[in-house]
Amino acid sequence: EVQLVESGGGLVQPGRSLRLSCAASGFTFDDYVMHWVRQAPGKGLEWVSGISWNGASADYADSVKGRFTISRDNAKNSLHLQMDSLRPEDTAFYYCTKAYSSSWSGYFQDWGQGTLVTVSS
Amino acid sequence: SYVVTQPPSVSVAPGKTAKITCGGNDIGSKGVHWYQKKPGQAPVLVIYYDGGRPSGIPERFSGSNSGNTATLTIGRVEAGDEADYYCQVWDTDSDRPMFGGGTKLTVL
Repeated sequence: EVQLVESGGGLVQPGRSLRLSCAASGFTFDDYVMHWVRQAPGKGLEWVSGISWNGASADYADSVKGRFTISRDNAKNSLHLQMDSLRPEDTAFYYCTKAYSSSWSGYFQDWGQGTLVTVSS
Repeated sequence: SYVVTQPPSVSVAPGKTAKITCGGNDIGSKGVHWYQKKPGQAPVLVIYYDGGRPSGIPERFSGSNSGNTATLTIGRVEAGDEADYYCQVWDTDSDRPMFGGGTKLTVL
């Protein structure tokens, strides 16, 4: 059974940093592209970032580009999101998601339960 | 970037059929995926590549895609189907995923 467990969320002041982590199990982690998707309170789903199976390439939504950094540790089956220069509009539930394959494009097959990030003074 | 449009809300009586649309320019040439999102729960994939159904998803859920509109159809709607539904495509120009704004399904 695929399991994705996020951690690292919390309350943080604007301009500060936070690092999210996702522990993956139940599948061969380095066979899959991984992504972060977020949902702000009362809003829809928004893709944040994705990383290739080997970590060689990554991409970001324009809203976070230059502030967020995605990474993965295939030896530890873990995905991370380093969030710097946080803004109130970054307040959201952040979901770790597993793509359906090692292919960059496609859909999000499995999702974690999410971790809440609140950016407020 | 590619724009995907969904109606904000759809209402249906129990036992009836609900249709949720997802509009976009020539969306029929793209693969469309659908997610169910209930409050306090993680999103769940219900349809992939227009009409594929993941294991564990009831046959009542089906999808179609042609022209400028993709449709998620839920037959014999139950109270437990009440949720927000999101369509998603891959924007080949930006090489990024795009979500529709979501549709709230209300079971009357």
